[in-house]
Amino acid sequence: SQTIHQWPATLVQPVGSPLSLECTVEGTSNPNLYWYRQAAGRGLQLLFYSVGIGQISSEVPQNLSASRPQDRQFILSSKKLLLSDSGFYLCAWGRGLWETQYFGPGTRLLVL
Amino acid sequence: SQQGEEDPQALSIQEGENATMNCSYKTSINNLQWYRQNSGRGLVHLILIRSNEREKHSGRLRVTLDTSKKSSSLLITASRAADTASYFCATADNQGGKLIFGQGTELSVKP
Repeated sequence: SQTIHQWPATLVQPVGSPLSLECTVEGTSNPNLYWYRQAAGRGLQLLFYSVGIGQISSEVPQNLSASRPQDRQFILSSKKLLLSDSGFYLCAWGRGLWETQYFGPGTRLLVL
Repeated sequence: SQQGEEDPQALSIQEGENATMNCSYKTSINNLQWYRQNSGRGLVHLILIRSNEREKHSGRLRVTLDTSKKSSSLLITASRAADTASYFCATADNQGGKLIFGQGTELSVKP
């Protein structure tokens, strides 16, 4: 069976510090991968998606970036965090692009 | 851009009652999906319905799609306290566009 992992679960970072969030998927190959951000009490905002190694599509211009160094690894990064980067970050994978998505447990990021 | 918008924003019912949530969207879609999110957790996929389908069932869940009205509904029958969660609809347009999520309906089922 397939599983998706995210870490860390919770992160408190000062403004201006770097960020690295990792997402890995097990039990499948060549998945489509997605990063979303969810503000409190709101819907999901798509940040990045990837259809293959090294292939990243950005949906929202911001100070975040994403990389896919391996088939089942998706990393969300920032060189300098802003207060507005606080939120709940969710990674998801799916077989068909924009079909059913399977979400990880999420990382709650608080930028102070 | 298209967007799924759920209605109502919040719903409170007693255990055993049925819960109905609605989703409206703006443009032609390839598929519409419903997800559940327990507080502080990731989303769980419930049902995907394609534009050429009108109704789908999964256990106590029933989803309908009316493409002429650009709307969908999620019915949870015989609700349980464990159904308490936020429910989101998400639409994928028929131009290969991304999945766009609505703001969700917060369902509270009281025992």
